[in-house]
Amino acid sequence: NAGVTQTPKFRILKIGQSMTLQCAQDMNHNYMYWYRQDPGMGLKLIYYSVGAGITDKGEVPNGYNVSRSTTEDFPLRLELAAPSQTSVYFCASSYASGGSQDTQYFGPGTRLTVL
Amino acid sequence: DAKTTQPPSMDCAEGRAANLPCNHSTISGNEYVYWYRQIHSQGPQYIIHGLKNNETNEMASLIITEDRKSSTLILPHATLRDTAVYYCIVRSPHKFYFGSGTKLNVKP
Repeated sequence: NAGVTQTPKFRILKIGQSMTLQCAQDMNHNYMYWYRQDPGMGLKLIYYSVGAGITDKGEVPNGYNVSRSTTEDFPLRLELAAPSQTSVYFCASSYASGGSQDTQYFGPGTRLTVL
Repeated sequence: DAKTTQPPSMDCAEGRAANLPCNHSTISGNEYVYWYRQIHSQGPQYIIHGLKNNETNEMASLIITEDRKSSTLILPHATLRDTAVYYCIVRSPHKFYFGSGTKLNVKP
């Protein structure tokens, strides 16, 4: 299994541009998550999904959109990129939520710079 | 949502046990404590989790106090490769809240 994969690894955007960060998992996990991590800080939850067709906001959803059309994929869309969105973005998945089967598996991250 | 408090940094000599503390005084009865670590800028890596009882796996041991208001992650024989930021997390439904973690520096 490849686990959680993310593309691209690096990206530079100009202010106002848009892009989609891709995330895929091959573990048949129901739950998927998007986090951002600013330098020297912990991870902050942007959006999460409990299954295909179901998404919900996390701590810092403004400026982002998500969709979940399949179990495997959970893309994150940035509209009108701003310098404040410069960060490292991590995608994660888990089999369940809560309890003992809640371990999240993380992708390698996408490093995004907005200039 | 329960929050956690960890020291910002700790040092440990190679080969010695590393004991990383975490306070989670507002934890609810059905919330698990999870520990993850992040090496350099890689994605966080799962270490261990527990509810009430102490837990041990091939990576570490987790000691949870009887009142569940604090816990300690123990790396029994720290190596240089254990240098990382360690996050203690109390799990809320559908969400993990990562604090700033503890930067563990393992020194030769």
